[in-house]
Amino acid sequence: KNQVEQSPQSLIILEGKNCTLQCNYTVSPFSNLRWYKQDTGRGPVSLTIMTFSENTKSNGRYTATLDADTKQSSLHITASQLSDSASYICVVMGNNAGNMLTFGGGTRLMVKP
Amino acid sequence: DVKVTQSSRYLVKRTGEKVFLECVQDMDHENMFWYRQDPGLGLRLIYFSYDVKMKEKGDIPEGYSVSREKKERFSLILESASTNQTSMYLCASTLDTPGNTEAFFGQGTRLTVV
Repeated sequence: KNQVEQSPQSLIILEGKNCTLQCNYTVSPFSNLRWYKQDTGRGPVSLTIMTFSENTKSNGRYTATLDADTKQSSLHITASQLSDSASYICVVMGNNAGNMLTFGGGTRLMVKP
Repeated sequence: DVKVTQSSRYLVKRTGEKVFLECVQDMDHENMFWYRQDPGLGLRLIYFSYDVKMKEKGDIPEGYSVSREKKERFSLILESASTNQTSMYLCASTLDTPGNTEAFFGQGTRLTVV
């Protein structure tokens, strides 16, 4: 069964600190992995998308890594800001008809001043 | 700018009412999805459609139906709303090509059934 597991479930950090969120998946066949940021009461917004051949991709203060061999990904947030407080969802797309999405449970990040 | 638009941000309906949630995308995407999102349960797939007039059940289709009469529009229907359908509903769309394909989400509809 396709699964995406994220850790930690929740995280509290001080403003200006760095943090790393983890994502492990068992989706097969694999097409791509993306990280989304979801503010409370809003729809998810894409941060990064990575295919099988990509190891690292950055988007401003967000850097995602992908190890396709171990089926692990991480999202590193540098110099956190209060506006980073949100849920971060790891989503894996399968390489099959309909491009099915498998969602992780998300990590709820709170950045405190 | 790409857009997935859901018809309502907030909706309050009474138990037993028939409820329509509309989703429109302007990217000519083949695939469209309806999810519900509940605390502690993450996003769960209700129905999806990979072509006009085609629909497939997701993980939790009970109590819901869908309609896709046009490529750009995917409607979620609650035939007789119940309080356990109070949730955040998210629509998404993707292209039907593998590889570096983006999935776009609507802004969400928070439905409360009283």
